[in-house]
Amino acid sequence: DVKVTQSSRYLVKRTGEKVFLECVQDMDHENMFWYRQDPGLGLRLIYFSYDVKMKEKGDIPEGYSVSREKKERFSLILESASTNQTSMYLCASSLSQGQGYNEQFFGPGTRLTVL
Amino acid sequence: SQKIEQNSEALNIQEGKTATLTCNYTNYSPAYLQWYRQDPGRGPVFLLLIRENEKEKRKERLKVTFDTTLKQSLFHITASQPADSATYLCALATGFQKLVFGTGTRLLVSP
Repeated sequence: DVKVTQSSRYLVKRTGEKVFLECVQDMDHENMFWYRQDPGLGLRLIYFSYDVKMKEKGDIPEGYSVSREKKERFSLILESASTNQTSMYLCASSLSQGQGYNEQFFGPGTRLTVL
Repeated sequence: SQKIEQNSEALNIQEGKTATLTCNYTNYSPAYLQWYRQDPGRGPVFLLLIRENEKEKRKERLKVTFDTTLKQSLFHITASQPADSATYLCALATGFQKLVFGTGTRLLVSP
């Protein structure tokens, strides 16, 4: 079974702190994604990586950065956390295969609260 | 503007009936569409994928249709059970490897 794990289920941080969210997948997937999910807005893509050290901005990258030094690990960084970044953060991975008809496997999510 | 619409109101049905969920989209031309299930506090789980040249796809009690003229997908669960209660998300392929998700419809199946 594919497993995507996230470093924390719940996290509370203060405004201005630097926050690291870690995601690890164990199925040798090329693609990894970071989403945030908010009521009424659904899942929105923050960043996407299709290979080690490669990254692409999603729909809402402002205030975030990412790092992919190893194939299995994709980190989301909040440089200076703000209260409007309070959200559920979901990591996902997928195989890279031709034209991308591939399901995404999600982690359990990290509920981040910024005070 | 591009939009994916799923009914934001919860769908309440009785056990044994067929649940039908709708996904409408505008200003997209997706090559394929996926459906996911999400339980409270958990990540989405993939259910089905349908390609633009497929009209219908089935998997056990699940059926998905994809009408690119109407820009609509319907997701059916036959013989629904209380364990089917969850939020169901549709997702459109918008580019290489990327998906855009709808906000989801919550399904409640009562015994």
